[in-house]
Amino acid sequence: GENVEQHPSTLSVQEGDSAVIKCTYSDSASNYFPWYKQELGKRPQLIIDIRSNVGEKKDQRIAVTLNKTAKHFSLHITETQPEDSAVYFCAASIRVGTSYDKVIFGPGTSLSVIP
Amino acid sequence: DADVTQTPRNRITKTGKRIMLECSQTKGHDRMYWYRQDPGLGLRLIYYSFDVKDINKGEISDGYSVSRQAQAKFSLSLESAIPNQTALYFCATSDSQGNGELFFGEGSRLTVL
Repeated sequence: GENVEQHPSTLSVQEGDSAVIKCTYSDSASNYFPWYKQELGKRPQLIIDIRSNVGEKKDQRIAVTLNKTAKHFSLHITETQPEDSAVYFCAASIRVGTSYDKVIFGPGTSLSVIP
Repeated sequence: DADVTQTPRNRITKTGKRIMLECSQTKGHDRMYWYRQDPGLGLRLIYYSFDVKDINKGEISDGYSVSRQAQAKFSLSLESAIPNQTALYFCATSDSQGNGELFFGEGSRLTVL
């Protein structure tokens, strides 16, 4: 089955700096890679996702990159702000036609943005 | 607003007791999931259901069972709770015709003494 690894497990950055979280996956059939953010005491929520037919996707200060050959994908947050402090989970899934298979998550990265 | 609701939100129980966590949703989604969250281990899939008559084991199904009573309801049972099942449990839903996004409930914190 699919296995998703994530690094680092904790990350501290100064406000305004960039943060990068890296993930690897094991199942070469995976073709959908979402990222979820979980603020303290809250439920996880989708912040961005990428599909295997693209190598990069941006949404304001957040970007994701995908290297299918190496089975790596990364989350980049620029100009970090205190409200970016949270646990971030990468995940992998397989899209078949118009449907998606189960989503397998990485272990999470706890990001702290220091004002 | 359409939502995913979990009950109970917090539960303390003793080893050997039977526990049921319930999940209901008003999103009209066909797919429902149960995940377990432990520090440093992320969200691990326990069971999932793609429609009312479909039940599948996830990564860590041992010691758990589920029931999909209706499209909107998916319950998780621990037949004989043990301390290492102490965790935060999340129910989630998705639309098979959607974009793949999971919508999570607020979580149920279970402590087994």
